[in-house]
Amino acid sequence: GAGVSQSPRYKVTKRGQDVALRCDPISGHVSLYWYRQALGQGPEFLTYFNYEAQQDKSGLPNDRFSAERPEGSISTLTIQRTEQRDSAMYRCASSFHRGSTEAFFGQGTRLTVV
Amino acid sequence: AQTVTQSQPEMSVQEAETVTLSCTYDTSENNYYLFWYKQPPSRQMILVIRQEAYKQQNATENRFSVNFQKAAKSFSLKISDSQLGDTAMYFCAFMNPEGSSNTGKLIFGQGTTLQVKP
Repeated sequence: GAGVSQSPRYKVTKRGQDVALRCDPISGHVSLYWYRQALGQGPEFLTYFNYEAQQDKSGLPNDRFSAERPEGSISTLTIQRTEQRDSAMYRCASSFHRGSTEAFFGQGTRLTVV
Repeated sequence: AQTVTQSQPEMSVQEAETVTLSCTYDTSENNYYLFWYKQPPSRQMILVIRQEAYKQQNATENRFSVNFQKAAKSFSLKISDSQLGDTAMYFCAFMNPEGSSNTGKLIFGQGTTLQVKP
């Protein structure tokens, strides 16, 4: 696609529900990153994929968070048993290859847990 | 671990004037990249400017320029001839180069909210 596409743009969920956030990177981009951004803060790294391989998941806050990219293109970030503290903007970024200095960000998914 | 610090939570400037946003970082690496990103009210993340640590020359993109002081680990952004459309949150970010264990991952500062006043 022309840019990084994330869906849904907004998600309101009840505490305890599972949510799945989708990222469709720019076509041909090998590297895909997930970040979480609390209101008024900078984005924080969650996890990174090189093709389909999850090469760094050091930023995932706990085992309720998981991510996959099974065919090396679209990625899904799943949060199980959501809690209010999970409320944030979740951003996806892609780049042409590992070490590429230009990452293209999607518009983000704003998650609200009530 | 690398850290990025932006010590100015909010700043304001009159339209057409110049403003400088501060950023300091900490790393033991010798080669790395630094970035400034703009996040307008639409909440997009837009790359403004990037600097390679091995280049001594400060990067410039139109009205945006940086003052990169490697020894001091300082990376400030100067916006000249400020425009109303520059109103946004600005993030300083650090990236390790290819070959290191943190390749491609961006480490962001806390951000500075800039208000350009007419």
